[in-house]
Amino acid sequence: AQTVTQSQPEMSVQEAETVTLSCTYDTSESDYYLFWYKQPPSRQMILVIRQEAYKQQNATENRFSVNFQKAAKSFSLKISDSQLGDAAMYFCAYRRGPNAGGTSYGKLTFGQGTILTVHP
Amino acid sequence: DTEVTQTPKHLVMGMTNKKSLKCEQHMGHRAMYWYKQKAKKPPELMFVYSYEKLSINESVPSRFSPECPNSSLLNLHLHALQPEDSALYLCASSQDADEAYQPQHFGDGTRLSIL
Repeated sequence: AQTVTQSQPEMSVQEAETVTLSCTYDTSESDYYLFWYKQPPSRQMILVIRQEAYKQQNATENRFSVNFQKAAKSFSLKISDSQLGDAAMYFCAYRRGPNAGGTSYGKLTFGQGTILTVHP
Repeated sequence: DTEVTQTPKHLVMGMTNKKSLKCEQHMGHRAMYWYKQKAKKPPELMFVYSYEKLSINESVPSRFSPECPNSSLLNLHLHALQPEDSALYLCASSQDADEAYQPQHFGDGTRLSIL
């Protein structure tokens, strides 16, 4: 079974600074996808960024980028130029790919989450 | 604006009541999901519907009964709930349950309190 570990229950950053959230995962599969979701206090879970395991290039979405280290099974999220609106709980998630055998029916395995506080 | 709409936003019910949660999406997605989320915890998958058929039931107690009347609508019928069932219930949808790259789109959730 796959597991996802976020070792930082809470992190804080000053506005305009950079922060990195850690995520490691354990899997024996070679085909999978990784996601970072953000859940602000308003509750709606929003996709921040995603990464295909077969791609070596790290995904980037504006101020958000990942450091994907497949051999180390690490998938950290870097937020640059932090803004007050980035304050939220961040979840790392794993999803089996279609070539991993069988079907996962879209099942996401989430980490425990990291609460990010942004100080003005 | 959220593309997955959940109603009601808040629900308080007694342990003997029967109520339903509703979820609607008009993105043409063919997979829909129910999650339960406790405070400061990750969502826990309850059910997955793929092409209007129940594909996954994560050993959820029978007091929770899902229903997918059509591809746009997902209901969760509640009966004889327990206090520990108080939580945020999230609905999500995705293009296809087997398209792993496609993200799940979440609704705002229903905050459920059991008295």
